[in-house]
Amino acid sequence: NAGVMQNPRHLVRRRGQEARLRCSPMKGHSHVYWYRQLPEEGLKFMVYLQKENIIDESGMPKERFSAEFPKEGPSILRIQQVVRGDSAAYFCASSPSGGGASYEQYFGPGTRLTVT
Amino acid sequence: AQSVTQLDSQVPVFEEAPVELRCNYSSSVSVYLFWYVQYPNQGLQLLLKYLSGSTLVESINGFEAEFNKSQTSFHLRKPSVHISDTAEYFCAVSDGTDKLIFGTGTRLQVFP
Repeated sequence: NAGVMQNPRHLVRRRGQEARLRCSPMKGHSHVYWYRQLPEEGLKFMVYLQKENIIDESGMPKERFSAEFPKEGPSILRIQQVVRGDSAAYFCASSPSGGGASYEQYFGPGTRLTVT
Repeated sequence: AQSVTQLDSQVPVFEEAPVELRCNYSSSVSVYLFWYVQYPNQGLQLLLKYLSGSTLVESINGFEAEFNKSQTSFHLRKPSVHISDTAEYFCAVSDGTDKLIFGTGTRLQVFP
């Protein structure tokens, strides 16, 4: 059973470009979470999605960031007009259900975004 | 609001020595507590968790953590570390809702 897949693993963008980060959850998992890890910091929650629904986006910056989890295909975290401060590791996690700590979140290897 | 504090950003230790990584949390509600480990250039792996019941929880590779409600702590311990334990360790808390709140991490460096 494959784990959580993220691609690309490394992404370099110039300031002002768009970044698209993809996450395929584990088989059978319908809940996806995105976290951001800035240098020398812990992971910060960004958004929680179920298929076709955003459940909690309280950690998402108000502008330039969006996330989706369509009925078919991976979850996408999209960052428009990237700035240097967006450079970070972005981790995706999935769980078979949500709304309770009994359901472990399984993490992907992350996408390391570098903005030049 | 919930928060997690890991006071030690780095912990150097010699192989076969004991180690304790400290974690304190603040929360006004019942919490669930986790320790995750991150090896270089990899994602996080769950090491152990406390949901309820026995306050002492153990992992398969010799780590253990004890939930102490009065001290709001969930320190991670191992009686004898190995070189392969070198990694970043994150403590996290959840109030049962969807998100995990992470500490800033402790880098454990094991020397031969």
